[in-house]
Amino acid sequence: AQTVTQSQPEMSVQEAETVTLSCTYDTSESDYYLFWYKQPPSRQMILVIRQEAYKQQNATENRFSVNFQKAAKSFSLKISDSQLGDAAMYFCAYRSGKNEKLTFGTGTRLTIIP
Amino acid sequence: ETGVTQSPTHLIKTRGQQVTLRCSSQSGHNTVSWYQQALGQGPQFIFQYYREEENGRGNFPPRFSGLQFPNYSSELNVNALELDDSALYLCASSSGRQNTEAFFGQGTRLTVV
Repeated sequence: AQTVTQSQPEMSVQEAETVTLSCTYDTSESDYYLFWYKQPPSRQMILVIRQEAYKQQNATENRFSVNFQKAAKSFSLKISDSQLGDAAMYFCAYRSGKNEKLTFGTGTRLTIIP
Repeated sequence: ETGVTQSPTHLIKTRGQQVTLRCSSQSGHNTVSWYQQALGQGPQFIFQYYREEENGRGNFPPRFSGLQFPNYSSELNVNALELDDSALYLCASSSGRQNTEAFFGQGTRLTVV
């Protein structure tokens, strides 16, 4: 069974600075996808960024980028120029290429300090 | 805002009762997945429906059941409610095609007393 581990329950960063959230996963599959979701107090899960395992290039979406280390099974999220609106719970998630079930980590609560 | 809507937003039930939660999927999506998110935890997969058939189930007892309708909306039913069923229940819809993302609703907060 696949597992996703987020070892940082809480992180904080000064506004406009850069922060990195960590995620490791365990799988024996070669075809899979990795995601970072943001969950603000409104509770709705919002997709931040996704990475296909077969792609070597790290995904980037504006201020958000990932460091995907396939051999180490590591998938960290870097947020540059942090903004107050980035404050939320962030969840790392794994999806097999065989189905659409998402396996989530326990989340990291990100606080932005003005 | 995604096109996935869930109702109700909040619900309080008594232990032993039954509850039905509803989800309308995004237009064009034929796959609906349900997740349970306990306080302070990540969401846990309950089950998934694809074109009205259950298509995968997580580690949840049979008193958690579901339906998907021809318009691809879905219901989650929980019988014999227990205190530990108190959680946020999230619905996600997707197109069923590989390499596409799932869109989540805002969830239903269920409290069992």
